[in-house]
Amino acid sequence: DSGVTQTPKHLITATGQRVTLRCSPRSGDLSVYWYQQSLDQGLQFLIHYYNGEERAKGNILERFSAQQFPDLHSELNLSSLELGDSALYFCASSVAGGAGANVLTFGAGSRLTVL
Amino acid sequence: AQSVTQLDSQVPVFEEAPVELRCNYSSSVSVYLFWYVQYPNQGLQLLLKYLSGSTLVKGINGFEAEFNKSQTSFHLRKPSVHISDTAEYFCAVVFHSGGSNYKLTFGKGTLLTVNP
Repeated sequence: DSGVTQTPKHLITATGQRVTLRCSPRSGDLSVYWYQQSLDQGLQFLIHYYNGEERAKGNILERFSAQQFPDLHSELNLSSLELGDSALYFCASSVAGGAGANVLTFGAGSRLTVL
Repeated sequence: AQSVTQLDSQVPVFEEAPVELRCNYSSSVSVYLFWYVQYPNQGLQLLLKYLSGSTLVKGINGFEAEFNKSQTSFHLRKPSVHISDTAEYFCAVVFHSGGSNYKLTFGKGTLLTVNP
């Protein structure tokens, strides 16, 4: 157990639907990162939050949004889902706000299947 | 542009054989280097990291990596692999181009399959 908790572990939904993935960072970590992992694209950085504020954006689609709450948990919202959104979504956390020399601690991931 | 290249997408080896997983990056700025491992149906976990100092870094499970600045490489090695080392390995580089400007980039991963 890495200390980073992601729910749900598996999710199956239909095209056009909206889902929310949740992440609780490791105790004491203020940063949350979201990544998408698919066979064709590999590990893609989506977005980074630090202590409630957005710090960096990667290849995140406009249909996707995220936020980090005062208790530091984060949610990734995926809307108007398409077949190509099927992937493993990882959350990672770290202590500090910048990438720097920080080690990321990853959760076990949420596997999204869009039918 | 800053990038991380893992030269082999798949590496099959026999148990107890040595293995090297290659990682190159393209940048002239300062870097921090990491190797993460992803076992089946799990998240990524840190294997080892290079921040500064000795260029030979030892990690968990008998793995080590060597930072070669002139060749911009950070290859991962293990002298004798076990079946349990079967996993996907990701090289990650933090590019530091000054001040608070850091960018973390992952390679596409190398699937190591250890056969009996």
